[in-house]
This record gives sequence, structure tokens and C-alpha cells, in this order.
Amino acid sequence: DTGVSQDPRHKITKRGQNVTFRCDPISEHNRLYWYRQTLGQGPEFLTYFQNEAQLEKSRLLSDRFSAERPKGSFSTLEIQRTEQGDSAMYLCASSRLGRTDTQYFGPGTRLTVL
Amino acid sequence: AQRVTQPEKLLSVFKGAPVELKCNYSYSGSPELFWYVQYSRQRLQLLLRHISRESIKGFTADLNKGETSFHLKKPFAQEEDSAMYYCALSGQGAQKLVFGQGTRLTINP
Repeated sequence: DTGVSQDPRHKITKRGQNVTFRCDPISEHNRLYWYRQTLGQGPEFLTYFQNEAQLEKSRLLSDRFSAERPKGSFSTLEIQRTEQGDSAMYLCASSRLGRTDTQYFGPGTRLTVL
Repeated sequence: AQRVTQPEKLLSVFKGAPVELKCNYSYSGSPELFWYVQYSRQRLQLLLRHISRESIKGFTADLNKGETSFHLKKPFAQEEDSAMYYCALSGQGAQKLVFGQGTRLTINP
């Protein structure tokens, strides 16, 4: 399967712990996006990369959140000192810069903070 | 501000009946509009986008700039159309998608 992959698929953690999620985009896709989806809502944009450069960050991305894409390939999203309000599905998407840069989504990582 | 509104959280129709999922948007400019679909236990996937003007799986959507709407329509619903549907927009020069809260469509046999 050459689609977007995310790891882990599920994560349960205790409040105050740090967690890190990984996203592997479709090969040769130079854009990578992170979204967060809570129950009953549509996905909300968090941040996006073009190659290794982080070009936009949402105000939703507090200081406890950090994302990286060190070599312009896979990306990580880290949440420090997790809070119960961080419980959500974290979605990754990738696209290729061009006229029809369709975003392809991964399966998501479901985070539960106890 | 960019905003997408899907007024119906749930929509239920019978197989063979017409379907219309409503989407209204707010954007000061020329946005690009999309419909994404999520079938049970599958990932979010693009159904159609307004610039393509395609019909995918029998669905069509017309961008009405006067009414700022992008409603999704299908003349004859099929059971396999049961899914979660999200309307989304992307602004000019902006890459992020702004999603509505989604409509869960159920097709009854």
C-alpha cells in the first residue's frame, strides 16, 4: 500500500505525559498536513509543511505541540504535558505541489488522555 | 473568516430516492470547494472538487457563488452511499482545508 501511513493507530496515555506520532506521506509528496478531529466535528487544521519547511501553524497549535519534518519525508507531531482536552483523532495528509494538489489522508492516530 | 456550514448532522433517505447534502461557506475571495467522504472503517477520501466539474459515483455538486453554497446531489441513492460526508474549502494561495462538521448519510433499504 502506497498511501499515507500513521503510527501508532491508537495511543492511551495519562495526563501530563508526552506523546509522539509519526506520519509517512505518499512518496514524492512534498506537502504534509496535520489535522485534529474531535467527536462530532470535522477535521481542524493544525499545521503544514512544504518539504522540510513548516509554512503555517494554526492558533490551535499551542506551545505544547510541536511538529517536525526533518528531511522533507516523514513527519512527527509531539504533544508535551498532555491534557484531557488533547484527546482526539490526529490526521495526517499529504499532497504534491501542483495544479491539482489533492490531499490524501492517513488512517489517523486516536489519542486518549486519561 | 473562512467557515463551512453543513446544517444537517444526520440525513436519512430511502434507496432510490434523491439525496441532497447541504453546504454553505463563508470566504472573502474565490475559494476552492471539495466534498470528502468517509465510509465505515475507512480513511477520509476526496469525492469531488468543484474545479473538476466531474460526476463521481453519481454525485455532482455545483458551486453557487451568489448563495455561497456547494450542495452535493445524487438523483438515486444507493445503500453503499451510506457514509460521513464533509464539505471543505481551501482559500486562494492557502493550502489548508477548512471542513464543515459533517453529515452522516444513511440510506435505508
